[in-house]
Amino acid sequence: DAKTTQPPSMDCAEGRAANLPCNHSTISGNEYVYWYRQIHSQGPQYIIHGLKNNETNEMASLIITEDRKSSTLILPHATLRDTAVYYCIVTGGSYIPTFGRGTSLIVHP
Amino acid sequence: GAVVSQHPSRVICKSGTSVKIECRSLDFQATTMFWYRQFPKKSLMLMATSNEGSKATYEQGVEKDKFLINHASLTLSTLTVTSAHPEDSSFYICSASFRRGKGAGFNEQYFGPGTRLTVT
Repeated sequence: DAKTTQPPSMDCAEGRAANLPCNHSTISGNEYVYWYRQIHSQGPQYIIHGLKNNETNEMASLIITEDRKSSTLILPHATLRDTAVYYCIVTGGSYIPTFGRGTSLIVHP
Repeated sequence: GAVVSQHPSRVICKSGTSVKIECRSLDFQATTMFWYRQFPKKSLMLMATSNEGSKATYEQGVEKDKFLINHASLTLSTLTVTSAHPEDSSFYICSASFRRGKGAGFNEQYFGPGTRLTVT
């Protein structure tokens, strides 16, 4: 599976958009980009995934660059409850996700 | 939908005893279940992958005789930590996946809430 690079930490003001970047320059054609988050002492929660088109659901939007070498997870109106570690994972058909260090997002009042 | 439960949520046991953790997919049949371990302030580390009715596949460095995995049905997998020691104290998380529809190019994976094991 392709390796991902994420900033170790970010912060965001409540009510503002949180934009979390992820680099995956070695992604191959059949690999998807997945995003999960983990709130302290809980299991990871699926957020969104995509292949090459931008995606949006009730939780977030996923913007994937045309060359697919990077992506951005957007939380449009961050709340305090969005404080968590966000993991960007790239994986193909075998789909055994490997978790990196992720980005620790702190949403402050 | 797609809820995964774990039991117990917390367990404290004495060194040398065995502990069983259950992972259930409540509203779907899981083709595969995964077991992860997470130490404080660290990321999740995959321990093993199991398919219903077959032996689990363990990751390198994970002792299969110490971490017994049974996947008896499409909705239940168990992890037994045998002869637990304090260094086995960790947060254990299971996940279950299923393939959404024919032709779908991915498996969706859902995680349980985790089990905090403390070995004294």
